[in-house]
Order: sequence, then C-alpha cells, then structure tokens
Amino acid sequence: KAGVTQTPRYLIKTRGQQVTLSCSPISGHRSVSWYQQTPGQGLQFLFEYFSETQRNKGNFPGRFSGRQFSNSRSEMNVSTLELGDSALYLCASSLDGTGDSGANVLTFGAGSRLTVL
Amino acid sequence: AQTVTQSQPEMSVQEAETVTLSCTYDTSENNYYLFWYKQPPSRQMILVIRQEAYKQQNATENRFSVNFQKAAKSFSLKISDSQLGDTAMYFCAFKAAGNKLTFGGGTRVLVKP
Repeated sequence: KAGVTQTPRYLIKTRGQQVTLSCSPISGHRSVSWYQQTPGQGLQFLFEYFSETQRNKGNFPGRFSGRQFSNSRSEMNVSTLELGDSALYLCASSLDGTGDSGANVLTFGAGSRLTVL
Repeated sequence: AQTVTQSQPEMSVQEAETVTLSCTYDTSENNYYLFWYKQPPSRQMILVIRQEAYKQQNATENRFSVNFQKAAKSFSLKISDSQLGDTAMYFCAFKAAGNKLTFGGGTRVLVKP
C-alpha cells in the first residue's frame, strides 16, 4: 500500500513568486491536512480538506490556499512568497474515523522543503 | 484553543537504557486523541503510539509506552531498551474533532552507543 506522496521534495523560489505543492493521500483516505514546519514556529496547522471542502483552517494569511480534487489529491499554493515562508511543508492523510478503529490516525508524507531566496 | 507543551528540548540516553519524555496539554474537550510522533533526520514523521482519551488503560507498542493522566492533562512517553535508531525528534500531538493536530515543540532524543 503506497504511503502519502508529496511533490516536489525540494524547491527553491525567489521572493514574490508563487509555488504549488502537491499531495497524494493513501488510497481510500479522504481527509488531507497540511502543516508548516519551521525552526522558529515549530509545526503549525495550515488547513484540512475533506471531500473537496475545506473543513478546518489555521491562522495563516490568505496567501496560503489549498484545494482538494475528487480523487482526494490535494494541492496547496503560496502566492507572493516571503523569506519567512521557507519551511518544510508536510501533508497528512486520514480515513477520518472515530473510536478505536485507527481511522483517526494521520499518516504523513516526507514533506516538501521550500527555500525562498 | 488547545496547547501542547514539551518541557524537555533535548535528552540523551545510553543504548539499552530507558528514557521518559514529558508532555502536558491544555484543553476543555472531553473526547480527544493524543499521539507521539517521531521525526528522524530523514524528516519523515512517523507515528509511535496513540491514546484515546476515553481509555483509561495506557497504550503500549513494543518498547514504547505512555503514562496518560487525564486529570493532570499529562501524556509522557517511555522508551525502553533504547536503540540507536530511536535517535530523532519526538513530538507530542493533540487531536479533538476533525483532523487538526496541535503539536508540542518537540524533544530531541540522542541515543548514545
């Protein structure tokens, strides 16, 4: 069973550019969430998508956006990049269940490391 | 809003010894889940162990076990018989409804040969 796949793994952009990151969840998982990891702020929740709808959103500016397609694949976009956007962006997928089924567990991808120059 | 605190930025342990990582959290929720994730130098976040708040029994996964104290809002991780491959950052995480994880700041664990 394939895991969570994130592309690209590494990318370098300059200030003012925009970037799109992709996440393919584990087959059958309908929930995809995104996290930003930086040395200063740690791991912060960006947003979550479930069945093509944004279900939760963290405290990030509107430059950060995302979407989910009918096959559950998700993309996030950052426009007008700033130096502070340099980070590891992690995607996680889940079955979105409750109880003891294990469906509440989030499985993470390897991340996309973005460097903004 | 929930907060998760890991008070130990770094810990070292000799191979085969035991180390305990602390985690406290603050929430007004009654139903929630707690997790410990491991992030080795490869940066891949790996689930170590999970605990459902409604369960009183502490979770155990091989050499990893937790001490869950719901009233005290404490969720510590014990690594027994530490191995070199356990060297990593360890993050405590909280989840209530939905799939939003709130993470602690992490504890770097170094296992020494």
